Amino acid sequence: GQQLNQSPQSMFIQEGEDVSMNCTSSSIFNTWLWYKQDPGEGPVLLIALYKAGELTSNGRLTAQFGITRKDSFLNISASIPSDVGIYFCASHDSGTYKYIFGTGTRLKVLA
Amino acid sequence: DTGVSQNPRHKITKRGQNVTFRCDPISEHNRLYWYRQTLGQGPEFLTYFQNEAQLEKSRLLSDRFSAERPKGSFSTLEIQRTEQGDSAMYLCASSLGLRAMNTEAFFGQGTRLTVV
Repeated sequence: GQQLNQSPQSMFIQEGEDVSMNCTSSSIFNTWLWYKQDPGEGPVLLIALYKAGELTSNGRLTAQFGITRKDSFLNISASIPSDVGIYFCASHDSGTYKYIFGTGTRLKVLA
Repeated sequence: DTGVSQNPRHKITKRGQNVTFRCDPISEHNRLYWYRQTLGQGPEFLTYFQNEAQLEKSRLLSDRFSAERPKGSFSTLEIQRTEQGDSAMYLCASSLGLRAMNTEAFFGQGTRLTVV
């Protein structure tokens, strides 16, 4: 089946640094979603992208829908301790309405 | 509306027992999804409903699992004869499905199942 690969798998950064992570697929998608998940909680939607090339911001977060429609990027600027968590990309599986999820990027922020 | 609500938040059960989880989606959302998540993994799709119709089931959903959404509102997920391998976080999500467009899905807080 279709898979979404995220990189890096984990990151340790200093507070105040910028972070960049990405999600790639061998298939073309029409939607990219980015979620953040804290331990023991459900994923929380951060940004949704619907158009190739689209660049969308949500506060310190910026995400882009790759022009090839096979990838997406999430950037976090000026990281703070509460940015700690696991970030997942997700997309709409072609031909159905189910979402498939990436493998996740674990972010740790050192104060 | 406060978002997707799942109950219970935690469930500990003995192997072989049946368990049932409930999900109340965002009120105007017509699509409802169930996912399972194990430690260190992303959510894995189990099944989804469009209104009351169950439109797709994953191969992960063995015959011990059954999901319903009887009136197109809340949904239940039942696991019969639980096994230790069923221990996981069970997540529910809902979305406002528009024709020819798949809008974003919002998740509940999940039900953590532990089978002992």
